[in-house]
Amino acid sequence: ELQLVESGGGLMQPGGSLRLSCAASGFSVSNNYMAWVRQAPGKGLQWVSVIFAGGETHYADSVKGRFTISRDNSNNTLYLQMNSLRAEDTGVYFCARSFRAALDIWGQGTTVTVSS
Amino acid sequence: DIQMTQSPSSLSASIGDRITITCRASQSINIYLNWYQQKPGKAPNLLIYASSTLHTGVPSRFNGSGSGTDFTLTISSLQPEDFATYYCQQSYSTPPLSFGPGTKVYVK
Repeated sequence: ELQLVESGGGLMQPGGSLRLSCAASGFSVSNNYMAWVRQAPGKGLQWVSVIFAGGETHYADSVKGRFTISRDNSNNTLYLQMNSLRAEDTGVYFCARSFRAALDIWGQGTTVTVSS
Repeated sequence: DIQMTQSPSSLSASIGDRITITCRASQSINIYLNWYQQKPGKAPNLLIYASSTLHTGVPSRFNGSGSGTDFTLTISSLQPEDFATYYCQQSYSTPPLSFGPGTKVYVK
């Protein structure tokens, strides 16, 4: 079964750091275009970051310089290192696989709350 | 960056109704338009990709059409499990992965 399972969310103070993990099964993260998408409470979907199969990375302007996407091929896991967290980073973070230019497999989401 | 809009932002409907949701891109995106369904507390699910191709396992009552800047998602006969929020997303020029603001379908 093709599956993504996120972990690592939690409650952090502004300025803090978190690392989200997204463990894949049934396919290889290294061979796929992988994305992080977030959803603030009661809001719509917002793209955060992507990593191409070749390793090229891109970020939304709102997280550029603070977040880093990476992957561990041996563990078949995608990561999102989140530094200098802000209140507006609060939300549910989903990882997803892109296939045929669409996000066809999504994780269940992990909740990040940034509050003092 | 390509901006996506959707209309309506919400709509009320009854079981068996035919409903249509519209998505518009700020510039031509050919047929690179995807539709997702999201239920409360759950991850989005891919319904349609490349404007009109049903993802595996998606019921045939869902239909997507359009090209260029204007697209539609139609549900031919609304079922109880279809009450959800629907998002469009362009994949013509990515990143960024631009999503529409969503359309919430709720019970009349």
